[in-house]
Amino acid sequence: GAVVSQHPSWVICKSGTSVKIECRSLDFQATTMFWYRQFPKQSLMLMATSNEGSKATYEQGVEKDKFLINHASLTLSTLTVTSAHPEDSSFYICSARAQEPQFPQPQHFGDGTRLSIL
Amino acid sequence: AQKITQTQPGMFVQEKEAVTLDCTYDTSDPSYGLFWYKQPSSGEMIFLIYQGSYDQQNATEGRYSLNFQKARKSANLVISASQLGDSAMYFCAILGSARQLTFGSGTQLTVLP
Repeated sequence: GAVVSQHPSWVICKSGTSVKIECRSLDFQATTMFWYRQFPKQSLMLMATSNEGSKATYEQGVEKDKFLINHASLTLSTLTVTSAHPEDSSFYICSARAQEPQFPQPQHFGDGTRLSIL
Repeated sequence: AQKITQTQPGMFVQEKEAVTLDCTYDTSDPSYGLFWYKQPSSGEMIFLIYQGSYDQQNATEGRYSLNFQKARKSANLVISASQLGDSAMYFCAILGSARQLTFGSGTQLTVLP
């Protein structure tokens, strides 16, 4: 089945540093990538949608300059949290979709990244 | 706009018993899909089951079945013969014309030995 690899799984860093999270589709071409943020015991909230070669579309309330998304190829999307602060600590999950989504699973999820900012 | 409502923040079930997790939805799309995902404490999203809005029969996948009542706009997940490994967060989600999943708030299921 379709596999999405997300790296790193865990990251702990100091306040003020930038953190890059990678999301790769290993065996299919992901024309669309989704980035979600999840706080403990809460739901997945969509942050942004990116299409390969285009600028990402951000959801209302998500700071574009804080969360930089790049989708330069059909197999790789990155999320960079710039100048991270403790309030950015969260669980980030990516999801990938092919141009012609296959049901019953039109989207495939990475395993997520736990980000802790000290 | 799409919306998923899961009214049970937490549920307990005895091992080997069946449990129903509630999900209601709201959408103006004539065609849509409903999904259930399991999220264990490790965080990964595990796809469980899918129901298309035009599917005549309720979806089943092993111990999972989806009780789809279109007129009531409900898509409840039934887990039969619960196992300790079923303890996790469960999310209902809908996919419509916007082509992006909308998730409910989730239900934390605990299976008791």
